[in-house]
Amino acid sequence: QVQLQQWGAGLLRPSETLSLTCGVYGGSFSFFYWIWIRQPPGKGLEWIGEINHSGSTSYNPSLKSRVTISVDTSKDQFSLRLSSVTAADTAVYYCVRGLAAAGSGTWFDPWGQGTLVTVSS
Amino acid sequence: EIVLTQSPGTLSLSQGERATLSCRASQSVSSRYLAWYQQKAGQAPRLLIYGASSRATGIPDRFSGSGSGTDFTLTISRLEPDDFAVYYCQQYGSSPYTFGQGTYLEIK
Repeated sequence: QVQLQQWGAGLLRPSETLSLTCGVYGGSFSFFYWIWIRQPPGKGLEWIGEINHSGSTSYNPSLKSRVTISVDTSKDQFSLRLSSVTAADTAVYYCVRGLAAAGSGTWFDPWGQGTLVTVSS
Repeated sequence: EIVLTQSPGTLSLSQGERATLSCRASQSVSSRYLAWYQQKAGQAPRLLIYGASSRATGIPDRFSGSGSGTDFTLTISRLEPDDFAVYYCQQYGSSPYTFGQGTYLEIK
């Protein structure tokens, strides 16, 4: 059964770059989408973007200018970089596997454990 | 961007009762591309339903989804103690994929 394990820095200063990596264990890395989603404390969920195993990406327009999602198929890992962070980027960040039917977008299963990233001066 | 509005914001029910949660979209969700998730405090969300009505692996049959177009429903037929949590709907018919704001299901 596939498991996702994520890691990265949890405390950043404003204007720094957030960097998180997610490892995929126990399942195929190909034929799926790999997603980042975030959740500010006490709030709802926001889709950040996705990448497939061949490196094709799609980003939320609200974050597109600051986001890069990349993949390392040799290690079954994918990563998130979010530049120029502010306090508004404080959230729990989740890495997630995306599943899709023909012609559809993606639904999300399973989820990583989440990483709280706090942006504070 | 498709906006999903969930109602009610909070639902107070007792164990054994039936729960009905609503998710309304600002425009039609193509091909019933709608999912439901359960999130407990301090945990990651868990997939319950995809394709509006298909249960994810391991999800008990007391959870069911229905609806099409702009109106979708998650029904929990007989509430068990483990079911009290926050529930989110998500559409994946149109990018960016969006979530509702959540319904908090609490013990009455």
